[in-house]
Amino acid sequence: GQQLNQSPQSMFIQEGEDVSMNCTSSSIFNTWLWYKQEPGEGPVLLIALYKAGELTSNGRLTAQFGITRKDSFLNISASIPSDVGIYFCAGQLGGSQGNLIFGKGTKLSVKP
Amino acid sequence: EAGVTQSPTHLIKTRGQQATLRCSPISGHTSVYWYQQALGLGLQFLLWYDEGEERNRGNFPPRFSGRQFPNYSSELNVNALELEDSALYLCASSLNRYEQYFGPGTRLTVT
Repeated sequence: GQQLNQSPQSMFIQEGEDVSMNCTSSSIFNTWLWYKQEPGEGPVLLIALYKAGELTSNGRLTAQFGITRKDSFLNISASIPSDVGIYFCAGQLGGSQGNLIFGKGTKLSVKP
Repeated sequence: EAGVTQSPTHLIKTRGQQATLRCSPISGHTSVYWYQQALGLGLQFLLWYDEGEERNRGNFPPRFSGRQFPNYSSELNVNALELEDSALYLCASSLNRYEQYFGPGTRLTVT
């Protein structure tokens, strides 16, 4: 089945630093989504990407849909303690498929 | 606007029993998705319901089933529970079949 390779698996950074994480796949996706999950909660949608090459921002977060449609990255600028959590990428093959395929997540820890 | 709600928050069952989990989507959303999040395995797709019909199913045995009601709420049933069914079960809803919004999940523990 399709798999998403998400890296890095975990990150330990200092408050104020920038963060970058990415996902790659052997499959072509029509949609890329980025989620954040905190302990005891469901994933929260951060950014949705629909077109190859698309670059979208949400506050300090910026994500891009790779030109090949097989990858995506998420950047967080000037990290703050509340950025702590697990970030997941998710890809969708097409609307008729419905389901999302998730990466295994990047666990972000921010030291004040 | 209220988000996706799920009940119960926690559920403890013994092996062989049945579990029923419930989900209410965001108002106006017609699609409901179920995912299993087991430790170390990430989120795995279970089922997708849209307009009352099952549209797609993940690689799970038939003892995982569900339905969607006319008000678009949904129920996930797990029969003949096994220890490895212990996980966080997440429900998501969508209006456009692309952006999926998740509820807080139901933590199922099978002993």
